[in-house]
Amino acid sequence: KAGVTQTPRYLIKTRGQQVTLSCSPISGHRSVSWYQQTPGQGLQFLFEYFSETQRNKGNFPGRFSGRQFSNSRSEMNVSTLELGDSALYLCASSPGQGPNEKLFFGSGTQLSVL
Amino acid sequence: AQSVTQLGSHVSVSEGALVLLRCNYSSSVPPYLFWYVQYPNQGLQLLLKYTTGATLVKGINGFEAEFKKSETSFHLTKPSAHMSDAAEYFCAVSGPYQAGTALIFGKGTTLSVSS
Repeated sequence: KAGVTQTPRYLIKTRGQQVTLSCSPISGHRSVSWYQQTPGQGLQFLFEYFSETQRNKGNFPGRFSGRQFSNSRSEMNVSTLELGDSALYLCASSPGQGPNEKLFFGSGTQLSVL
Repeated sequence: AQSVTQLGSHVSVSEGALVLLRCNYSSSVPPYLFWYVQYPNQGLQLLLKYTTGATLVKGINGFEAEFKKSETSFHLTKPSAHMSDAAEYFCAVSGPYQAGTALIFGKGTTLSVSS
């Protein structure tokens, strides 16, 4: 089985632009969640989708949004980029939506905002 | 509120020595606890998890962790370190939501192994 695939692997943007990141979960997984990883703040939960519905959202501004499609693929969007948005964005998938689920992570998209 | 504290941002051991990575948690509900490992330029991989039942949990690559409710701890150990264990390790607790897979992660501990 193929793992979680995130595209693109690297991205460079300038302040004020918007960006869309893509995540393809493992086949059969219906839950997709997103995390932001930075050296200062560590790993922080962004949001989670299950069957095209946002289940939970972390403490991030409204500039961060996401969606999930009927094939479970997910995208996250960041509008009006700020320098502080530079981070590794990780996507994770799981078969179910319980709190004890094992998460399968992709290798991430490294976003640099100049 | 849920939180995780990992004591020591960097731990160095010699090959063959005991590995001990410390994790303390805070949770308003019975917690589910996890250890994930991240190798350079890769995503996270689950080492082990505690849900309910046996408090000593065995994971992959010879790692194990013990859930101690009285100490609110979930320390990760491995009897004998290998060079390939060098990586960043994250302790996590299930998030504050009533449902869902969201995790609250600690800041991470970088493990270095010297020969």
